[in-house]
Amino acid sequence: GENVEQHPSTLSVQEGDSAVIKCTYSDSASNYFPWYKQELGKGPQLIIDIRSNVGEKKDQRIAVTLNKTAKHFSLHITETQPEDSAVYFCAASRSDGNKLVFGAGTILRVKS
Amino acid sequence: DSGVTQTPKHLITATGQRVTLRCSPRSGDLSVYWYQQSLDQGLQFLIQYYNGEERAKGNILERFSAQQFPDLHSELNLSSLELGDSALYFCASSVWGNEQFFGPGTRLTVL
Repeated sequence: GENVEQHPSTLSVQEGDSAVIKCTYSDSASNYFPWYKQELGKGPQLIIDIRSNVGEKKDQRIAVTLNKTAKHFSLHITETQPEDSAVYFCAASRSDGNKLVFGAGTILRVKS
Repeated sequence: DSGVTQTPKHLITATGQRVTLRCSPRSGDLSVYWYQQSLDQGLQFLIQYYNGEERAKGNILERFSAQQFPDLHSELNLSSLELGDSALYFCASSVWGNEQFFGPGTRLTVL
């Protein structure tokens, strides 16, 4: 079955710097790759997603890139702010199955 | 606020007991998913329902079962509880397709 690996497990950046989180997946049939942000005591919140027919997608300070050949995708956060501090999860799924397979998560700390 | 509601927020019970977790999907969403989040296993898919019918099954134990009712709310039943079942249980919903929106979760503690 699908396996998603996520790195790094923790990331500390200075406010205003950029943060990059990377994920690799194993199932070549996966074609949907969402990113979730989870704050303490809350459920995962969908922040951005990308489908396999697109190489890059941007939404304000957040961008996601996908390399289908290498089977990896990345989350880029620019101009980080303290409120970006949270756990970030990548996930992958096939369009037919729809279940999400999650990476292990990255704890992002933005220091002010 | 995702629009997905889950009750109760916290549940404390003893080993061997049975509990029911409830989820109401976003208005218009026909698909409901259940996930378990624990420190050692991360976020794991349990089961999916679409318009009342089971659609996909993941690593769900035989002691666990779920159903989706005609009004589209879903319940996850956990029985013969063990200490290792302590975890956060999330429900997510979607119209169809991949975008899943998660509820706030139910924290289950088995003592």
